[in-house]
Amino acid sequence: AQTIHQWPVAEIKAVGSPLSLGCTIKGKSSPNLYWYWQATGGTLQQLFYSITVGQVESVVQLNLSASRPKDDQFILSTEKLLLSHSGFYLCAWSLEGGQNTLYFGAGTRLSVL
Amino acid sequence: GDSVTQTEGLVTLTEGLPVMLNCTYQTIYSNPFLFWYVQHLNESPRLLLKSFTDNKRTEHQGFHATLHKSSSSFHLQKSSAQLSDSALYYCALSGNNYAQGLTFGLGTRVSVFP
Repeated sequence: AQTIHQWPVAEIKAVGSPLSLGCTIKGKSSPNLYWYWQATGGTLQQLFYSITVGQVESVVQLNLSASRPKDDQFILSTEKLLLSHSGFYLCAWSLEGGQNTLYFGAGTRLSVL
Repeated sequence: GDSVTQTEGLVTLTEGLPVMLNCTYQTIYSNPFLFWYVQHLNESPRLLLKSFTDNKRTEHQGFHATLHKSSSSFHLQKSSAQLSDSALYYCALSGNNYAQGLTFGLGTRVSVFP
């Protein structure tokens, strides 16, 4: 069975500090991977997606970057956090193909102060 | 590009009454997949149901929806709401660029009261 693990569960960070969030998928080879951001009570905004190692496509950057260093790992980062980065970050995976059901991780709740 | 419209931001209702959440979409892709996701408080979204077959009713956990390509709609319904149905509901579309993932609507918050 496929499992998706996000880390950390929650973060409280200062404005201007760096950030790194991670996501690991086990039990599925070469999944499509996605980062979504959700402001409190808000909609799901897609940030990045990756269909293969080393390749990441940006949808909305929000002064963030993403990388896929391994087939099962997806990293979201920034060198300088803004207040507007606060929210709920969700990693998701899907199979290749048009059916494209997304399976979300438990998420990371980020508070920038 | 693809888009999904959910007209209700908040739906409040009494337990036992029926609920319907509206969803319409736009895409140039002739065979889109439509999804409903549900997100309970402090949880991540999970799939509720999905469809790609025109005019076929899809059911899961008491909810049902029918994809109507003629009207580009995929409304979610339940005949009798329960307190546990209180959550955020997202309609989503997989269109032409399926590798990019799903396009989500703004979501509808459902609050069910006793």
